[in-house]
Amino acid sequence: GAVVSQHPSRVICKSGTSVKIECRSLDFQATTMFWYRQFPKQSLMLMATSNEGSKATYEQGVEKDKFLINHASLTLSTLTVTSAHPEDSSFYICSAKDSNGYTFGSGTRLTVV
Amino acid sequence: AQSVSQHNHHVILSEAASLELGCNYSYGGTVNLFWYVQYPGQHLQLLLKYFSGDPLVKGIKGFEAEFIKSKFSFNLRKPSVQWSDTAEYFCAALNSGNTPLVFGKGTRLSVIA
Repeated sequence: GAVVSQHPSRVICKSGTSVKIECRSLDFQATTMFWYRQFPKQSLMLMATSNEGSKATYEQGVEKDKFLINHASLTLSTLTVTSAHPEDSSFYICSAKDSNGYTFGSGTRLTVV
Repeated sequence: AQSVSQHNHHVILSEAASLELGCNYSYGGTVNLFWYVQYPGQHLQLLLKYFSGDPLVKGIKGFEAEFIKSKFSFNLRKPSVQWSDTAEYFCAALNSGNTPLVFGKGTRLSVIA
């Protein structure tokens, strides 16, 4: 079946630095990918929709200058958390639509210290 | 706004007990429905999905769900749970096209011996 690879799985960074998370569709092309954030004991909240070759669409309340999304190819979308702060610590998950529905990456646990 | 509701936050069952997790959605028109499972420390996995046709959908690991349009519901069921079913279960829905999934808040299932 379709596979979405997400890296890194865990990252710890210092406050003020930037972190890049990659999401790759391994055996299919994804013109659209989705980035979610999951807080402890809560559901996945959609942050933005990543569109290949065009600007991402951000959900209300998500700072586009803080969460930079690049979807330069049909198999790769990246999320960069810029100037990270402890409140950005969370679990970030990407997703892509395939022929069977949606496939999710394994997630990235970001801890900002 | 479109939403998905899961009314049970945490369910505790003994092994061999029957399971039913509630899911209601607020969409009008054609809707696609999904149940995902997230085992401890793992990423989201698709349990089953409903697009059209038979409203009783059978998924992996003995799970099934029934789409009842008149009740806007898509409840997940399993006749006899196992300890290995301990996980977080998410119901999700979307209208059509490349729209992102909207998730419920999730239900944590704990199966005890």
